[in-house]
Amino acid sequence: EAGVTQFPSHSVIEKGQTVTLRCDPISGHDNLYWYRRVMGKEIKFLLHFVKESKQDESGMPNNRFLAERTGGTYSTLKVQPAELEDSGVYFCASSRGLGTSIEKLFFGSGTQLSVL
Amino acid sequence: SQQGEEDPQALSIQEGENATMNCSYKTSINNLQWYRQNSGRGLVHLILIRSNEREKHSGRLRVTLDTSKKSSSLLITASRAADTASYFCATRPTGTASKLTFGTGTRLQVTL
Repeated sequence: EAGVTQFPSHSVIEKGQTVTLRCDPISGHDNLYWYRRVMGKEIKFLLHFVKESKQDESGMPNNRFLAERTGGTYSTLKVQPAELEDSGVYFCASSRGLGTSIEKLFFGSGTQLSVL
Repeated sequence: SQQGEEDPQALSIQEGENATMNCSYKTSINNLQWYRQNSGRGLVHLILIRSNEREKHSGRLRVTLDTSKKSSSLLITASRAADTASYFCATRPTGTASKLTFGTGTRLQVTL
C-alpha cells in the first residue's frame, strides 16, 4: 500500500509569490488533514476534509490560504500571496474515516516551504 | 494555546539508557497518541492509550496516562541510536472525532 505522498518536498519562493502544495492520501482514506510546523513550534492543525467536503477549517490562518479536494482524492493547498511567516513544514495526513475516535493518522513527509 | 506540551524539549542519552518524555494537555480527551518523526520524514504513529486506560506497552515502549493530572509519559527502554527522533503527543478532545492536536515535541538524541 502506497503511503501519503506530498509534492514538492521543498519550495523556495519570494514574498508575494504563489505556491501550491499537493497531497495524495492513501487510497480509500476519506479523511485528509493539513498541518503546519513553524520552526521549533508545535504542529498546528490547518484543516480537515472528509471526502471532498471541508469538515473543519478552523486552523486556516487567513484568506491567503486556500485548500481544495476536488473529487475527494488528492488535495491542494495554495498560498497566495505568500508572506515570510508562512515558512515552515506543511504536513498532510490521512485516515480511513471509520468515524471512531481511535483512528491513527498516516503522514506524508511534508513540504518544506521557505518564503524569502 | 496548544493542547499538548511535551517535556523536556530536548533529551540526550547514551545507547542502552532509558528515555522518558512527558506530555501535558488541557481538556478532557478520548485518547492520547504518541508519534515519532525522524528528520525529514513524516510522523509515524507509535501507540494509542484510551482515556480509561492507565498504562500500555508496545515492545520497548511504555505509555502511562493520568487523566486527573492531564498528563502522559512515554518511556523508551534500552534506547538505540535509531530511536533518535522527535516525539510528539497528540490528543483528541472528548466530543470530537476530527482533528488530533499536537504539541511542540521532544527532540531525543541517542548517542553511541
